[in-house]
Amino acid sequence: EADIYQTPRYLVIGTGKKITLECSQTMGHDKMYWYQQDPGMELHLIHYSYGVNSTEKGDLSSESTVSRIRTEHFPLTLESARPSHTSQYLCASSEYLAGDHTGELFFGEGSRLTVL
Amino acid sequence: AQTVTQSQPEMSVQEAETVTLSCTYDTSESDYYLFWYKQPPSRQMILVIRQEAYKQQNATENRFSVNFQKAAKSFSLKISDSQLGDAAMYFCAYRSRDDKIIFGKGTRLHILP
Repeated sequence: EADIYQTPRYLVIGTGKKITLECSQTMGHDKMYWYQQDPGMELHLIHYSYGVNSTEKGDLSSESTVSRIRTEHFPLTLESARPSHTSQYLCASSEYLAGDHTGELFFGEGSRLTVL
Repeated sequence: AQTVTQSQPEMSVQEAETVTLSCTYDTSESDYYLFWYKQPPSRQMILVIRQEAYKQQNATENRFSVNFQKAAKSFSLKISDSQLGDAAMYFCAYRSRDDKIIFGKGTRLHILP
């Protein structure tokens, strides 16, 4: 079983609240990702990181922000949640070796966010 | 830009039978990796099988095997002796040389007892 953890698993909050979704991995992976996925639908990459102090925006524009202060931790923050942010957020990690693309992604169980 | 297409949104198979999930992709690269991931209901997404583009031999993992046709840019997943635990969303994914990972839209597989 993958050693990547997300909290909270489920969150229901009101509009305008600030939320942080936590993601931690104990595998020492350099690369980490956040995907947004509506139930039963495709994954959209919203943020990724190559390592400490590295953050990049993904293919899907998102109002969320991320930080990478420690290798094992990659939290995602929404400063003011809106109903349009209701979705599932998946965190993933992989080894990153330049020129090596064999690494599989290890996923967390996801954080299902509902904004009322 | 690379794309990944899974043309079957849902499929059903009788328990113990064999099912094949389709995936096609588009790329101008010659060196890349292809993956099938499984996402069970309310559980973590896990890797099922991976294929290196420069290897002609199809990858196999127990009951799971792929049919990799590089020229046709096709990468189908065959599940033999289907089991109830195989019920899940299956995603085909492409990993490019610049380390970009592209997922298909997924195929929901139902196993009929």
